[in-house]
Amino acid sequence: QVQLVQSGSELKKPGASVKVSCKASGYTFSSYAINWVRQAPGQGLEWMGWINTNTGNPTYAQGFTGRFVFSLDTSVSTAYLQISSLKAEDTAVYYCVRAPFTSNSWFDPWGQGTLVTVSS
Amino acid sequence: QSALTQPASVSGSPGQSITISCTGTSSDVGHYNYVSWYQQHPGKAPKLLIYDVTTRPSGVPDRFSGSKSGNTASLTISGLQAEDEADYYCDSYTTSSSYVFGTGTKVTVL
Repeated sequence: QVQLVQSGSELKKPGASVKVSCKASGYTFSSYAINWVRQAPGQGLEWMGWINTNTGNPTYAQGFTGRFVFSLDTSVSTAYLQISSLKAEDTAVYYCVRAPFTSNSWFDPWGQGTLVTVSS
Repeated sequence: QSALTQPASVSGSPGQSITISCTGTSSDVGHYNYVSWYQQHPGKAPKLLIYDVTTRPSGVPDRFSGSKSGNTASLTISGLQAEDEADYYCDSYTTSSSYVFGTGTKVTVL
């Protein structure tokens, strides 16, 4: 079945970096985009942007430029989210999710989420 | 891009119907038929319920239906069941080539 499996929870100190992985299986990785969505504790969903799995070209939403980097390793069907210079307000669950190239319709399936906690 | 506006909470008794609204602008909900809805149980990842305003993916019960009028989309749950208690989020593509989620609605089954 189609699934996205993310790496485990992370506890980081302010100023550190973190890299979250998202491994796809059950479909052709390069046939769909990977989007990233953030959910702060007790808060709603926030779209962070997406990466084209054919070209590797990332697109970042407003508020997610500079410290956030999307990347790929197509040889292992895996997308990555790296966050540098971590701040307390980066504490959140980060989700990767598949989306079609041919329309702007849906996000499915979602990874199980990776909790990143930033605390000294 | 401001979040789409949803009611914070909606409740209903088992078997009843409830409707969750999702209000945006002419740059998102009102511009495209790319509105989707997601269900999120506590501690779980969101699950796709509806896309393209009205389309249900296979496996989603037909108790869930979507609609849109102008800048407002709606999700209706008919025959409310205990397992429908969850948070619900709408989402829309925008004229800025981005996506915006709704503020989220907590559904309580009384």
